Amino acid sequence: NAGVTQTPKFQVLKTGQSMTLQCAQDMNHNSMYWYRQDPGMGLRLIYYSASEGTTDKGEVPNGYNVSRLNKREFSLRLESAAPSQTSVYFCASSEIWRGIGEKLFFGSGTQLSVL
Amino acid sequence: GQQLNQSPQSMFIQEGEDVSMNCTSSSIFNTWLWYKQEPGEGPVLLIALYKAGELTSNGRLTAQFGITRKDSFLNISASIPSDVGIYFCAGRAAGGGADGLTFGKGTHLIIQP
Repeated sequence: NAGVTQTPKFQVLKTGQSMTLQCAQDMNHNSMYWYRQDPGMGLRLIYYSASEGTTDKGEVPNGYNVSRLNKREFSLRLESAAPSQTSVYFCASSEIWRGIGEKLFFGSGTQLSVL
Repeated sequence: GQQLNQSPQSMFIQEGEDVSMNCTSSSIFNTWLWYKQEPGEGPVLLIALYKAGELTSNGRLTAQFGITRKDSFLNISASIPSDVGIYFCAGRAAGGGADGLTFGKGTHLIIQP
């Protein structure tokens, strides 16, 4: 059981380039998320998708777009990368465990550097 | 938005010592999750708590959902070298929407030889 799978693991971009981070989960979860992690800032929500066909902005959505391609896949796109987007990006998915409460599971991250 | 304070920011301990860390929020939470993150990896869920006063263990780890519903504690007993990492708390405020959890900034656990 792979859980949440992200690609690529590492990426270096030049300012202005575009790229898409891919994420897939095999746990049949409805909700999926994209976070960025920066030193001293903790994890901040970029976008989320509460269910297939819906997406919503999180705390720091500027400069990003997302696509919930199907229930399994949720991609994050940088249309014109900026140095401020240098960060570690995590995809996550969540379930309501046994009808009791939420559990959130993370992928292994993408380390992105924008030069 | 909600404020979530995690302390201590870092801990330097000797192998075999017990560890305690906590998170406090400015509002009432109905979910507390504790994660561990190792270098180059994503956070891994350790313990989930859903009821005030709940005490849950996972091996040498024990976490508690505070009675006030505004705090949670994580204890690690008899630390070993593989416990090194960053421990995060995360919580969802009562009445919160589908926009994810609030995260603490982490406690760096360092075990001195």
